Amino acid sequence: GAVVSQHPSRVICKSGTSVKIECRSLDFQATTMFWYRQFPKQSLMLMATSNEGSKATYEQGVEKDKFLINHASLTLSTLTVTSAHPEDSSFYICSASGGKDTQYFGPGTRLTVL
Amino acid sequence: KQEVTQIPAALSVPEGENLVLNCSFTDSAIYNLQWFRQDPGKGLTSLLLIQSSQREQTSGRLNASLDKSSGRSTLYIAASQPGDSATYLCAVRGNTPLVFGKGTRLSVIA
Repeated sequence: GAVVSQHPSRVICKSGTSVKIECRSLDFQATTMFWYRQFPKQSLMLMATSNEGSKATYEQGVEKDKFLINHASLTLSTLTVTSAHPEDSSFYICSASGGKDTQYFGPGTRLTVL
Repeated sequence: KQEVTQIPAALSVPEGENLVLNCSFTDSAIYNLQWFRQDPGKGLTSLLLIQSSQREQTSGRLNASLDKSSGRSTLYIAASQPGDSATYLCAVRGNTPLVFGKGTRLSVIA
């Protein structure tokens, strides 16, 4: 089956620093990748959708200058949380789609901002 | 805007019981509905995917049904086991990426 990896799985950083999270589709080409955020005991909320080679589409309320998304190849998308603050601490999950209906999810990245 | 609601928010049952988790969605124009399992601090495991043209899907002790016209789905778990303890998420796919409910936290007590 389709496999999606995320790196790192867990990151702790100081307030004001930037953190980059990678999402890779290991055995298929992902024309579209999605980034979700999940706060404790809450559901996954879509942050943005990115198509390879084009700018990401952000959901309402998500700051595009704070959450930089790059989808430079068909197997890699990155999410950079710039100038992270404690309120950005969350579980970030990516998913990838090869053009059909199914989204394949990564294992998630736990971000803790001190 | 699609909204997905899951009831109950939490459920605790003794081992061996059969149980039903409920999911409802506001916009019936969906392509498919998916049930996921999420263990604490972990990612998502896809359990069942039902296309909009289908009424149900089965996998082992799991059976998911879909009534698109009424905007409802159920996940039936037979003969529950402690290993089934997790959060179960329902998600629907329409013209947007998957929209998730808040999940049902299931505890199966040995």
